[in-house]
Amino acid sequence: KQEVTQIPAALSVPEGENLVLNCSFTDSAIYNLQWFRQDPGKGLTSLLLIQSSQREQTSGRLNASLDKSSGRSTLYIAASQPGDSATYLCAVSGGGNQFYFGTGTSLTVIP
Amino acid sequence: EAQVTQNPRYLITVTGKKLTVTCSQNMNHEYMSWYRQDPGLGLRQIYYSMNVEVTDKGDVPEGYKVSRKEKRNFPLILESPSPNQTSLYFCASSTIGGTSSSGANVLTFGAGSRLTVL
Repeated sequence: KQEVTQIPAALSVPEGENLVLNCSFTDSAIYNLQWFRQDPGKGLTSLLLIQSSQREQTSGRLNASLDKSSGRSTLYIAASQPGDSATYLCAVSGGGNQFYFGTGTSLTVIP
Repeated sequence: EAQVTQNPRYLITVTGKKLTVTCSQNMNHEYMSWYRQDPGLGLRQIYYSMNVEVTDKGDVPEGYKVSRKEKRNFPLILESPSPNQTSLYFCASSTIGGTSSSGANVLTFGAGSRLTVL
């Protein structure tokens, strides 16, 4: 069974810093990996999707990388802003189209 | 507006009283799925559907039923709710396939349904 781990569980940084969030998974047979943000009391919003054949995806200040062979993905956030404060979740989908989520990293960006 | 709509958003019920949480999407997505989110456990998939009349178990299907009679709707049914089903539930949908994948694509989530079973 696929297991997804996100480290650290919580992160606090001053505004303007660049930061990296980590996601690791145990089974490299995946269709894709997605990064989401979740604001308190709200649903999940998709940030980036990386197909299994891709190495990275970029959207604005966000860059996600995927190393399938080592079972790792990183989400890089450049020039962090207080509005980036949220919980960030990664999810992998594999055979049978099941999705497995990490428990998330809670990010606080201090003004 | 493209969206996934869940109802009810909040529900308090008692053990054994059957309930249904509805999920509807207006994006003509083939793939729909249900998750529960619990502190320390993250999101876990309950059931998913690749298309009408096609449903499969996720990681934690016990105590739940689903149906997919129409493409836009995917209700979650708790026939006899128990307190351990108290949780935050999310429905999500996506397209399937593409140039480099045969799987589900970007998931669009509903706002969530907070269920409390007493």
